[in-house]
Amino acid sequence: QVTLRESGPALVKPTQTLTLTCTFSGFSLTSREMCVSWIRQPPGKALEWLARVDWDDDIYYSTSLKTRLTISKDTSKNQVVLTMTNMDPVDTATYYCVRDQEVGYFDYWGQGTLVTVSS
Amino acid sequence: SYELTQPPSVSVSPGQTARITCSGDALPKQYAYWYQQKPGQAPVLVIYQYIKRPSGIPERFSGSRSGTTVTLTISGVQAEDEADYYCQSAHSSGTRVFGGGTKLTVL
Repeated sequence: QVTLRESGPALVKPTQTLTLTCTFSGFSLTSREMCVSWIRQPPGKALEWLARVDWDDDIYYSTSLKTRLTISKDTSKNQVVLTMTNMDPVDTATYYCVRDQEVGYFDYWGQGTLVTVSS
Repeated sequence: SYELTQPPSVSVSPGQTARITCSGDALPKQYAYWYQQKPGQAPVLVIYQYIKRPSGIPERFSGSRSGTTVTLTISGVQAEDEADYYCQSAHSSGTRVFGGGTKLTVL
């Protein structure tokens, strides 16, 4: 059974750095064609893909956010960590960790974690 | 940048057929996927690789592609199908992209 769970602060202040951890089970990020992505959704708005880390250590970032994002994996812990610097109120959103099939789709989603950026 | 365009809303009566379109220049070369999202829930994959249904997704959900447009068709719409629907694709650079979402209202 594949599960993913996001953890991190519910509230961050403007200009701070957000660190989110995805802990997953039921698959391995060392298995061929397995990837993990982060996706966010501001309240009432559309989904936005942020970043992806692959089984073979390839990493990809959203073009519009790449200067602020860092994604990393710890295969021994089955964890993927996303950091986003210089947080702003417009970054308020539910952040999802998802299993990403290398061919291009997301077949398992975490429940999401709401992050509010406010002073 | 690579964009996918969806209509903001679609409305149908129960039992009718709903069609939600998604347009993008790269869709002839890249697979398209569809997700259903109900209020307060994470999205669920309903169509992958243009036309395939994951296990557990009702047969009334189907996908198709014609040129630069892909379509999610829901036949015999039920009240429980009311949700937001997102198309998604992959860019050749390795990035992913979502459409803006379509709110399906069952009248």
